[in-house]
Amino acid sequence: DVKVTQSSRYLVKRTGEKVFLECVQDMDHENMFWYRQDPGLGLRLIYFSYDVKMKEKGDIPEGYSVSREKKERFSLILESASTSQTSMYLCASSSGGQGRNQPQHFGDGTRLSIL
Amino acid sequence: AQSVTQLGSHVSVSEGALVLLRCNYSSSVPPYLFWYVQYPNQGLQLLLKYTTGATLVKGINGFEAEFKKSETSFHLTKPSAHMSDAAEYFCAVRKDRGSTLGRLYFGRGTQLTVWP
Repeated sequence: DVKVTQSSRYLVKRTGEKVFLECVQDMDHENMFWYRQDPGLGLRLIYFSYDVKMKEKGDIPEGYSVSREKKERFSLILESASTSQTSMYLCASSSGGQGRNQPQHFGDGTRLSIL
Repeated sequence: AQSVTQLGSHVSVSEGALVLLRCNYSSSVPPYLFWYVQYPNQGLQLLLKYTTGATLVKGINGFEAEFKKSETSFHLTKPSAHMSDAAEYFCAVRKDRGSTLGRLYFGRGTQLTVWP
């Protein structure tokens, strides 16, 4: 089974801090994604990556950046955390290439609170 | 325009009753369609997917969905609800068949409550 691991289940940070959320997948997937989930809004795509050192903006990239230095690891960075970024963050990965119809596999999420 | 619309943010059924969760999509090309389930404090788990072939798709936990191109729908059903089905359900569409990226567009989710 595919395993997507997010480094923290719960995280509390202060306004203005630089926050790192880490995600690791063990299936050699090309594609990785970061979403935030808020009640009534579903999942919104922040950033995604289709290869090492490659990244693309999603629908709500403002206030965030990402890093993908190794294929298995995709980091989400909040440059200067604000209370509006309090949310559940979900990481996902999927196979590219031959697996064009393959689904995304999700981690358990990080519930981030910014005080 | 939204790519995926889930009708009803909350659905309540009695245990043993039929579950019907509605999903309509918009896509100019034949899509891939997915249903995911999210239990409390967990990530999303794939229930089922439609890519090509048979339009009635069976998934895990007794769920199934039917792709109806004429209605642009992909409704999720289960004949008899169980208490353990209580969760949030997300419909998702992938519109880029020719791409290896696999970006998904999600609906806003439907919270299913099952009464004893």
